[in-house]
Amino acid sequence: GAGVSQSPSNKVTEKGKDVELRCDPISGHTALYWYRQSLGQGLEFLIYFQGNSAPDKSGLPSDRFSAERTGGSVSTLTIQRTQQEDSAVYLCASSLTTDTQYFGPGTRLTVL
Amino acid sequence: QKEVEQNSGPLSVPEGAIASLNCTYSDRGSQSFFWYRQYSGKSPELIMFIYSNGDKEDGRFTAQLNKASQYVSLLIRDSQPSDSATYLCAVLAYSGAGSYQLTFGKGTKLSVIP
Repeated sequence: GAGVSQSPSNKVTEKGKDVELRCDPISGHTALYWYRQSLGQGLEFLIYFQGNSAPDKSGLPSDRFSAERTGGSVSTLTIQRTQQEDSAVYLCASSLTTDTQYFGPGTRLTVL
Repeated sequence: QKEVEQNSGPLSVPEGAIASLNCTYSDRGSQSFFWYRQYSGKSPELIMFIYSNGDKEDGRFTAQLNKASQYVSLLIRDSQPSDSATYLCAVLAYSGAGSYQLTFGKGTKLSVIP
C-alpha cells in the first residue's frame, strides 16, 4: 500500500509569513508524529497524535507552532510568523502501534 | 532529558568488511531500540528493531542490545558501497506525557570504500 506522503516537498517563504505543512499517514495507522531535522542535526520530536488527540505536545518549540489532525488521518503542522531558524526538513511518521514508525519524504522549509 | 549518543563519524570501511555502529542511551526505562538508515536528502528508513538483550540478525545486519550497559549496536557484514549512508539510532521510552517517545541520536555517517 501507499506510504506516508507529505506536501509540499519544498516550501520557500519569507520571514513573518505563515506556512502549512501536510501529512497523510499510512492508512489505518492511528499514531502520527512530526519531527524536525536541521542541517547536521538529529531528528527533533515536535508532536505526537493518537487518533485526533495530541497527548504529547512537549516538543513544539514555541507557540508559533501548532498542529491538528482530523478524521484520524491527515495532519497539518502550521508555523506562524516564520523565522529563519525555522528552516529545516519537517518529517512526518506514522505507526500502527507505539513503536515502529514509518517516515514520509519530508518537507524542506526555507525561510528567507 | 533522554539522550542518545552516537559517534558522528565518518566511519570508513573497505567493501566487504564489517561495519560496526554504536549507540548509548541514558534512559534505563527504554523499551525498544531501532536502527534507521538515511541517505543524503532522503527520509529515514527502518532497518531493524530489537527489544531484548542479545543479538538479532536480519540478512547482513545484526543488532546487539545490552540493557545493563545501555548500549546498542548495529553490525553490517560484507559492507557494500550502497550501504554508505547515515545510520540513526533511536530509542523508545515512555515520555510521561501520555505517549511513548522515540528519541534519535544524531547519526553516524558510514562510507564504504570500493
